[in-house]
Amino acid sequence: DAGVIQSPRHEVTEMGQEVTLRCKPISGHNSLFWYRQTMMRGLELLIYFNNNVPIDDSGMPEDRFSAKMPNASFSTLKIQPSEPRDSAVYFCASSFGPSNQPQHFGDGTRLSIL
Amino acid sequence: TQLLEQSPQFLSIQEGENLTVYCNSSSVFSSLQWYRQEPGEGPVLLVTVVTGGEVKKLKRLTFQFGDARKDSSLHITAAQTGDTGLYLCAGAGSQGNLIFGKGTKLSVKP
Repeated sequence: DAGVIQSPRHEVTEMGQEVTLRCKPISGHNSLFWYRQTMMRGLELLIYFNNNVPIDDSGMPEDRFSAKMPNASFSTLKIQPSEPRDSAVYFCASSFGPSNQPQHFGDGTRLSIL
Repeated sequence: TQLLEQSPQFLSIQEGENLTVYCNSSSVFSSLQWYRQEPGEGPVLLVTVVTGGEVKKLKRLTFQFGDARKDSSLHITAAQTGDTGLYLCAGAGSQGNLIFGKGTKLSVKP
């Protein structure tokens, strides 16, 4: 079975550029989560969707971050403009049922902003 | 705010040794999950514990949920190099969300 698929796996870009991260959740899962992981802060929830609707975006750092889920099989996380402090590994995860159910993670996008 | 504190933050041991890592909170969780994350990959679910006092075994790994459902432990017997990774606990919070601890980074040396 295909797991959660994220792209790209690595992204290096200069500050000020727009960055778009992509995620394909597991088919049939109705909850999708975006996380950011750093050594200092660990795994932080940015936003999660249930049935394609954003439920909680309180973890989104600021207006430079936006996320969309146009359909059940695709989501994007966009940073515009990007800054060096956005450098981190970004994970997408999906689950079936309530948001506190076990989650299946993708392998992440390692983002470096120069 | 519900928080999960994991200890130790780092642990380096020799192959064959036993170890225990902890996940503690002042809050009650309806259930708790343990994940293992290997370098370059996302976290992978190991187990979910639901009932206070519950003990679950996964080969050489033993997971325990505290009686009051505020804490949990993971014990590994005769560690192997393949156990190396970041161990994360996550609690089902009162807001219907999943709250992650910062993890214990385990290194098992041959």
